[in-house]
Amino acid sequence: NAGVTQTPKFQVLKTGQSMTLQCAQDMNHEYMSWYRQDPGMGLRLIHYSVGAGITDQGEVPNGYNVSRSTTEDFPLRLLSAAPSQTSVYFCASSVPGRPNEQYFGPGTRLTVT
Amino acid sequence: DAKTTQPPSMDCAEGRAANLPCNHSTISGNEYVYWYRQIHSQGPQYIIHGLKNNETNEMASLIITEDRKSSTLILPHATLRDTAVYYCIVKANQAGTALIFGKGTTLSVSS
Repeated sequence: NAGVTQTPKFQVLKTGQSMTLQCAQDMNHEYMSWYRQDPGMGLRLIHYSVGAGITDQGEVPNGYNVSRSTTEDFPLRLLSAAPSQTSVYFCASSVPGRPNEQYFGPGTRLTVT
Repeated sequence: DAKTTQPPSMDCAEGRAANLPCNHSTISGNEYVYWYRQIHSQGPQYIIHGLKNNETNEMASLIITEDRKSSTLILPHATLRDTAVYYCIVKANQAGTALIFGKGTTLSVSS
């Protein structure tokens, strides 16, 4: 099992550019989520999905889109990058019925200039 | 979700037990106690959780007081690789809301 994988590890964008952060898991987990971590602020939930075809917003969804066409993949799209989106992004997944036992990916470090 | 209080930092000698406390005096009957840790620059790692009974797995033990107002995570033989920020989280077993990681306890294990 590779667990939860995220690509890229690092990314630098200019303001206004768009990009997709990739997340995949090979554990057949139904629940997947995206967090961002800023210094001194802990992790904040951006979007989550309880299964293929189902997504919902978390605490800080503005400026981000998600889709879940397969169980394995949960990409996060930045529509028009802004410096405020400079952060470390973590994807996580968990087994059905145990949403709080989450397996996290290694993170994507994004800088928007 | 109930609020948790943890000491900001703790030290432990390698090979000794690390006992990390957490207060959660406002915990509700349906809320579990979860422990995660985050090693520098890595994603958070789930450790263990419990409702009211003590729990043990290959990573750690979790002791919850009878009134459930506090708990202790025990790493029985700490190693240098256990140096990390440890988070105690109290939450009901339901999807759709974030895990609130707070500031946690920075555990420093030294040789």
